[in-house]
Amino acid sequence: EPEVTQTPSHQVTQMGQEVILRCVPISNHLYFYWYRQILGQKVEFLVSFYNNEISEKSEIFDDRFSVERPDGSNFTLKIRSTKLEDSAMYFCASSEARGLSEQFFGPGTRLTVL
Amino acid sequence: KNEVEQSPQNLTAQEGEFITINCSYSVGISALHWLQQHPGGGIVSLFMLSSGKKKHGRLIATINIQEKHSSLHITASHPRDSAVYICAVDQGAQKLVFGQGTRLTINP
Repeated sequence: EPEVTQTPSHQVTQMGQEVILRCVPISNHLYFYWYRQILGQKVEFLVSFYNNEISEKSEIFDDRFSVERPDGSNFTLKIRSTKLEDSAMYFCASSEARGLSEQFFGPGTRLTVL
Repeated sequence: KNEVEQSPQNLTAQEGEFITINCSYSVGISALHWLQQHPGGGIVSLFMLSSGKKKHGRLIATINIQEKHSSLHITASHPRDSAVYICAVDQGAQKLVFGQGTRLTINP
């Protein structure tokens, strides 16, 4: 069964550094998403991406964050100048279509900013 | 006020019991999702609903659009059903708004 994969599973970085979280969505999916979950809190939407453009983004997704689909398979989330409060689990998801379409989630990357 | 409210926040039951988890939302939606989050953190999609009722194995999900309410039922619950169950709504803008989750523990 096709699945969304994410690497690394755990990333530790120093405050102020840049990190890149990687995702490989399901191959025939066209819509891609990043979510985050701070420990003990609910999951929050960060950004959606379609046709090489951001479709929607939340207030969390400030100018330190960027997304990219550098090739036909990878979908990346870059966080520059990391802050302690960026520590969270980051989930990538993908769906076939917009709206009434199931989203498939990756296993997550746990980001720890020291 | 949260846009998506789940109840209960925690639920402990004995194996075999019928489980109901509720979700109420305050915004217009195009669809509602029920998700399962395992202790390791991974999220699995269970259902996507825009109306009526869906069934998959021992899981049943219903939605009442007029009342802005959805329920997830588990029949003949089993310890392997222990997880956090999350309700999330799609407002049609390609983003999900999540509830805080219901932590379910099924004891043998």
